[in-house]
Amino acid sequence: NAGVTQTPKFQVLKTGQSMTLQCAQDMNHEYMSWYRQDPGMGLRLIHYSVGAGITDQGEVPNGYNVSRSTTEDFPLRLLSAAPSQTSVYFCASASSPPIEGSPLHFGNGTRLTVT
Amino acid sequence: GQQVMQIPQYQHVQEGEDFTTYCNSSTTLSNIQWYKQRPGGHPVFLIQLVKSGEVKKQKRLTFQFGEAKKNSSLHITATQTTDVGTYFCVVYGNKLVFGAGTILRVKS
Repeated sequence: NAGVTQTPKFQVLKTGQSMTLQCAQDMNHEYMSWYRQDPGMGLRLIHYSVGAGITDQGEVPNGYNVSRSTTEDFPLRLLSAAPSQTSVYFCASASSPPIEGSPLHFGNGTRLTVT
Repeated sequence: GQQVMQIPQYQHVQEGEDFTTYCNSSTTLSNIQWYKQRPGGHPVFLIQLVKSGEVKKQKRLTFQFGEAKKNSSLHITATQTTDVGTYFCVVYGNKLVFGAGTILRVKS
């Protein structure tokens, strides 16, 4: 099983550029989510989805868009990159929403630098 | 809103010494999860605690959930170099909240 696959692993953008971080899972998980991880801080939720066609905002959604057209895929779009978006991004999935206590399965992460 | 404080922020131990990290919540928790993240890696689920006073063991790791379900601890006995990484707790109130993590470094 591949689990959760994120691409790319590394990305450098110039301010104002847009890009999409890809996330795919092959575990038939209903719940998918995106986080950013910054030094000294816990993971912060950007957007999440409880199923195909359903998305919602997390703690830090500004500057990011998501869609969930299939159960497997949950791409994260940066509309106009800013230096403040320099971070490590993780995608995670779970068999059910966190309130039910299902463990999160994380992808390997994308290290993004915005200059 | 739901907050969780994790201490210490950083700990550097000699190989063979014990290590403990704590998560403290301002409110009663329904459950708590613990994850480990190796340097440069991604978080990996270790365990979930649900019951008041629950104690679970995984080899040299011991996880405890407080009687009041407001705090939890992760204890590693006789640390090894393979234990290095960041350990963090995750709780759910009205949203998922991650502790900031405890970075463990082990001197061999």
